[in-house]
Amino acid sequence: NAGVTQTPKFRVLKTGQSMTLLCAQDMNHEYMYWYRQDPGMGLRLIHYSVGEGTTAKGEVPDGYNVSRLKKQNFLLGLESAAPSQTSVYFCASSYLGGQDYEQYFGPGTRLTVT
Amino acid sequence: AQSVTQLGSHVSVSEGALVLLRCNYSSSVPPYLFWYVQYPNQGLQLLLKYTSAATLVKGINGFEAEFKKSETSFHLTKPSAHMSDAAEYFCAFGGSYIPTFGRGTSLIVHP
Repeated sequence: NAGVTQTPKFRVLKTGQSMTLLCAQDMNHEYMYWYRQDPGMGLRLIHYSVGEGTTAKGEVPDGYNVSRLKKQNFLLGLESAAPSQTSVYFCASSYLGGQDYEQYFGPGTRLTVT
Repeated sequence: AQSVTQLGSHVSVSEGALVLLRCNYSSSVPPYLFWYVQYPNQGLQLLLKYTSAATLVKGINGFEAEFKKSETSFHLTKPSAHMSDAAEYFCAFGGSYIPTFGRGTSLIVHP
């Protein structure tokens, strides 16, 4: 099993450009999450999904959109990138939510917006 | 609502010394607690989790954590630090269906 994979690993964007980050999991997990990690801020939840076709906002959703058309994939879109979106983005999945269901994380995407 | 507080954004130890990383939680529901580790330039991976079966939980790489309800704590320990333990450690609360993470503690290990 590959676990959770993220594409791409690195990306540099100019302000105003758009891009999509792809997350894929092969563990048949229902829940998927997108986080961003910034120095001193820990992990902040952007959006999450509790199943195919569903999405919900997390702590910092502004400037991002997501889609979960297939159970195994969770896409994060930036329509008009801003320098404040320079960050490391992590995708995670879990079998279900809450209780003792641990999260499985991807390796991250390092995004720089100039 | 629940919250997780990790005391100390950085902890520095010498190789061979005891590692103690502190985590306190606040919750109105029974807690499910996790410790994750993040090595440089990698994603997070599970170290151990508390699920009420036992208050002392053993994890990978010689780490363990003790759940103390009276102190609302779940501190992570390791008797003897190795250079390879240098990483970021996150405590997380899983009582609700979306986990809550602490801000992380960076463990620095000196030779």
